[in-house]
Amino acid sequence: NAGVTQTPKFQVLKTGQSMTLQCAQDMNHNSMYWYRQDPGMGLRLIYYSASEGTTDKGEVPNGYNVSRLNKREFSLRLESAAPSQTSVYFCASSGQTGKSFSYNEQFFGPGTRLTVL
Amino acid sequence: AQSVTQLDSHVSVSEGTPVLLRCNYSSSYSPSLFWYVQHPNKGLQLLLKYTSAATLVKGINGFEAEFKKSETSFHLTKPSAHMSDAAEYFCVVSNSGTYKYIFGTGTRLKVLA
Repeated sequence: NAGVTQTPKFQVLKTGQSMTLQCAQDMNHNSMYWYRQDPGMGLRLIYYSASEGTTDKGEVPNGYNVSRLNKREFSLRLESAAPSQTSVYFCASSGQTGKSFSYNEQFFGPGTRLTVL
Repeated sequence: AQSVTQLDSHVSVSEGTPVLLRCNYSSSYSPSLFWYVQHPNKGLQLLLKYTSAATLVKGINGFEAEFKKSETSFHLTKPSAHMSDAAEYFCVVSNSGTYKYIFGTGTRLKVLA
């Protein structure tokens, strides 16, 4: 049981390049999330997927796209990277108890450290 | 609208002394509240959660937090700090029926020998 896995762990891009961050979970969770973490700002939600087949924008979606490939996998794509996207990116997943998703904690991957030059 | 305020960005304590990390929240509905810990260059790990059951919540590694609705607070405490507690701590709020979790900006705990 690996939990939440992310690839790659590190990446350096040049401005304008594209890349996809991969995330997978093996806990049969319905919901998955992408966050970015910047110093002094906590974690900010980029996109989330409440369940397979749905995706929604979070707080800071500009410059990103996502795909919920299946129940296990949720990818984040940067089409044209910018220096402002230099950050640490975390994927998370959560399950459901009863009717509410919010009662359940999120499980986090180890993060991807991205630098855009 | 939901929000979370962590009142201290940095806290320093001596090893063996109590820890207090403060968190205030704003929520329109009955919230779920969480504390996570992040060690350097690691992901986030759940310490404890409040989901409308007992107001005093016990977590891992000797941490606990008390939900005080009248004060809209969910402060994290530990009776005796250990060197391994040095990390960043995040308070998180979520409302029933939503899929969103709102993070505080974090408190970095330093433990002095």
